[in-house]
Amino acid sequence: AQSVAQPEDQVNVAEGNPLTVKCTYSVSGNPYLFWYVQYPNRGLQFLLKYITGDNLVKGSYGFEAEFNKSQTSFHLKKPSALVSDSALYFCAVRDTGFQKLVFGTGTRLLVSP
Amino acid sequence: EPEVTQTPSHQVTQMGQEVILRCVPISNHLYFYWYRQILGQKVEFLVSFYNNEISEKSEIFDDQFSVERPDGSNFTLKIRSTKLEDSAMYFCASSQTSGGGNEQFFGPGTRLTVL
Repeated sequence: AQSVAQPEDQVNVAEGNPLTVKCTYSVSGNPYLFWYVQYPNRGLQFLLKYITGDNLVKGSYGFEAEFNKSQTSFHLKKPSALVSDSALYFCAVRDTGFQKLVFGTGTRLLVSP
Repeated sequence: EPEVTQTPSHQVTQMGQEVILRCVPISNHLYFYWYRQILGQKVEFLVSFYNNEISEKSEIFDDQFSVERPDGSNFTLKIRSTKLEDSAMYFCASSQTSGGGNEQFFGPGTRLTVL
């Protein structure tokens, strides 16, 4: 069965500092990994994905994520946080042969000025 | 930029009533999905739909639920007899293909409140 864990309910970081939002996953086949962001009263907005190839993937708004197969992780990163990055971040995985996305519980990112 | 739209944004209904949630997927997308998020919980997959058929569904998607693409643009989720526990945010999504790496684009959601 597919599963995703986001171990931190909330991450606090000061503006200008680097941020990391953690995600680990479990699948039986090859994973397809995604990060989505949710702003208040909005839907889930796609940030980036890993399919295959380079372990470091770059996405929207300066975000990037690093795929680590041995640690089954896909942590979201940004070198310099902005106050406007404050939102709810969801990691999701899709296993080979399935259409459904399986989401983590979400991590609230708070960037202070 | 094309986006998925959903109506209504908020629906309040009495337990036992039928509700229909509506979605307009992105126009050149072929795969459609419904997810729900109960307050404070994770986003859960309900069903995927392709070529006028359900292609995958979860154990949540029981006989009380149905989906339909009544015309070339709308995609609907019907709950026949709502229960209190159906109260949640319902998200529609669409994708161009079902390929594993193809991202799904989500609508803003419909908040369903069952009284």
